[in-house]
Amino acid sequence: GESVGLHLPTLSVQEGDNSIINCAYSNSASDYFIWYKQESGKGPQFIIDIRSNMDKRQGQRVTVLLNKTVKHLSLQIAATQPGDSAVYFCAENIKGGFKTIFGAGTRLFVKA
Amino acid sequence: DVKVTQSSRYLVKRTGEKVFLECVQDMDHENMFWYRQDPGLGLRLIYFSYDVKMKEKGDIPEGYSVSREKKERFSLILESASTNQTSMYLCASSFLRSNTEAFFGQGTRLTVV
Repeated sequence: GESVGLHLPTLSVQEGDNSIINCAYSNSASDYFIWYKQESGKGPQFIIDIRSNMDKRQGQRVTVLLNKTVKHLSLQIAATQPGDSAVYFCAENIKGGFKTIFGAGTRLFVKA
Repeated sequence: DVKVTQSSRYLVKRTGEKVFLECVQDMDHENMFWYRQDPGLGLRLIYFSYDVKMKEKGDIPEGYSVSREKKERFSLILESASTNQTSMYLCASSFLRSNTEAFFGQGTRLTVV
């Protein structure tokens, strides 16, 4: 069925280290995969997306990797900062439609 | 800056009440969405709209209805509030042709007692 899940509910990293947040998906009919960040008391904020025909996309301090063979998505954050502490959601856009399916989220803690 | 504004941050309502949650966006977006967010379940789509007076059911529409009379405003209605509708409600909007990047409001935490 349609689902987007996460391997770990929480992740704790040292400030300055790189963070890797993982996500598994099950729907093969998605044309985009998306990462959102949600800080405490705020709505989710778009970080980056990747089209299903790509395997890597880089943004500012973030890289998203897509492995369609094993249906796995990851978000890498370089030089993690305290301001990166948040819940991160992976999501997928179903091809041809308006529907976005969100995963349960991973909470990232950044230790000073 | 894109702004999606939800009318209330916190609401407490009684079981059986009719509840209105309002959302306004200022970016002329065609698409608007209502999600509910519960711990461990992520965001679940209740309803969405891609045009004025158009609405489509999401994954969990039961117990809810929506109204979109103007392009910038999308209302979520709980016809008869129940305790299992206690949740965080998030409104979002996006362009029709770029719907991977949705802009969210700050959320309304609704408690039904």
